[in-house]
Amino acid sequence: KQEVTQIPAALSVPEGENLVLNCSFTDSAIYNLQWFRQDPGKGLTSLLLIQSSQREQTSGRLNASLDKSSGRSTLYIAASQPGDSATYLCAVRGNFNKFYFGSGTKLNVKP
Amino acid sequence: DVKVTQSSRYLVKRTGEKVFLECVQDMDHENMFWYRQDPGLGLRLIYFSYDVKMKEKGDIPEGYSVSREKKERFSLILESASTNQTSMYLCASSRRGGKFFEAFFGQGTRLTVV
Repeated sequence: KQEVTQIPAALSVPEGENLVLNCSFTDSAIYNLQWFRQDPGKGLTSLLLIQSSQREQTSGRLNASLDKSSGRSTLYIAASQPGDSATYLCAVRGNFNKFYFGSGTKLNVKP
Repeated sequence: DVKVTQSSRYLVKRTGEKVFLECVQDMDHENMFWYRQDPGLGLRLIYFSYDVKMKEKGDIPEGYSVSREKKERFSLILESASTNQTSMYLCASSRRGGKFFEAFFGQGTRLTVV
């Protein structure tokens, strides 16, 4: 069964810092990987989708990379802002249309 | 924009009640999912449906059932609610198919069973 791990579980940084969130998965037979943001008590908002054949995707200050063979993805956030404070989750899409989620990284960006 | 709408943001129900959580999506997606999210356990798949009237058990189906009579609507049913079903419930939808399609989520339903 696919296992998805996110490290660190929590991260606190001062505003303006660049940071990297990590996601690893055990089965490299994935269709895609998706990064989400979740604000407290809310649903998940999709940030980036990387297809299995891609190496990276960018959206504004966010850049996500994928190394399928080693089972790793990173989410890079440039010039962090207090509004970036949230929990970030990664999910891989495997066989039978199922998505497997990590437990998330809780980010706090201090003003 | 894709919209996935869950019928309630907050629900409080009594132990033993039959509870219905409703989810509607407006993008003609084939796949719909129900997850529950608990601190320290992440998102766990309860059931998913890949077509009308079709369903498959996820990782934690016990105590739950689902119904998909129309493509846009996927209902989660707690047959007899228990306190250990107090949780955040999240509905999602996606296109069927491989690498091109992402999942979209509703706003969540916080269910408390007392």
